[in-house]
Amino acid sequence: NAGVTQTPKFQVLKTGQSMTLQCAQDMNHNSMYWYRQDPGMGLRLIYYSASEGTTDKGEVPNGYNVSRLNKREFSLRLESAAPSQTSVYFCASSEPAAHYGYTFGSGTRLTVV
Amino acid sequence: ILNVEQSPQSLHVQEGDSTNFTCSFPSSNFYALHWYRWETAKSPEALFVMTLNGDEKKKGRISATLNTKEGYSYLYIKGSQPEDSATYLCASNSGGGADGLTFGKGTHLIIQP
Repeated sequence: NAGVTQTPKFQVLKTGQSMTLQCAQDMNHNSMYWYRQDPGMGLRLIYYSASEGTTDKGEVPNGYNVSRLNKREFSLRLESAAPSQTSVYFCASSEPAAHYGYTFGSGTRLTVV
Repeated sequence: ILNVEQSPQSLHVQEGDSTNFTCSFPSSNFYALHWYRWETAKSPEALFVMTLNGDEKKKGRISATLNTKEGYSYLYIKGSQPEDSATYLCASNSGGGADGLTFGKGTHLIIQP
């Protein structure tokens, strides 16, 4: 099915471990985003990529890095995981203008212990 | 960073009743207002994107209005059904480009049979 695919769906990490969350879309969208969802908070933007070859910081970028590997794929890396990064992470894609709706992936639930 | 507020935080509605809830956003530098529906264990799905003052959009029993001068949008659900139970998110963008949406915390709607 067309859409945004995130892997893994669940992950438990120990403090200090690293990991990469993968995201791929098959809708030929130019723009991709990483958000985190925490209890009592709205979705908060971590990083975004307006187009292939560009990445920019969002509201909460500290502790994360991203790579826009090609037009389809946008990965999020935690170099040294901290308990504060326990969250549900959503990847989304859209056309590069604010009047286009986002398509979201199914999310990655990450727990850092 | 925009401040997008939604009210109420949660809402219990009897099946068959109609309901509405509010999203407020900064009216300066406004570009677009999005509504998403987020069912438990799924990912957010786009309902509406509105850009012009006075815009009204409708999808089945759900409709939305936009007032950009005073910075608010209403989402209406007519004749609520159990399948309408979800969290409804609104989000705004002030730049017009692909620099990400700022989301509110959502209104959690529960339809009681």
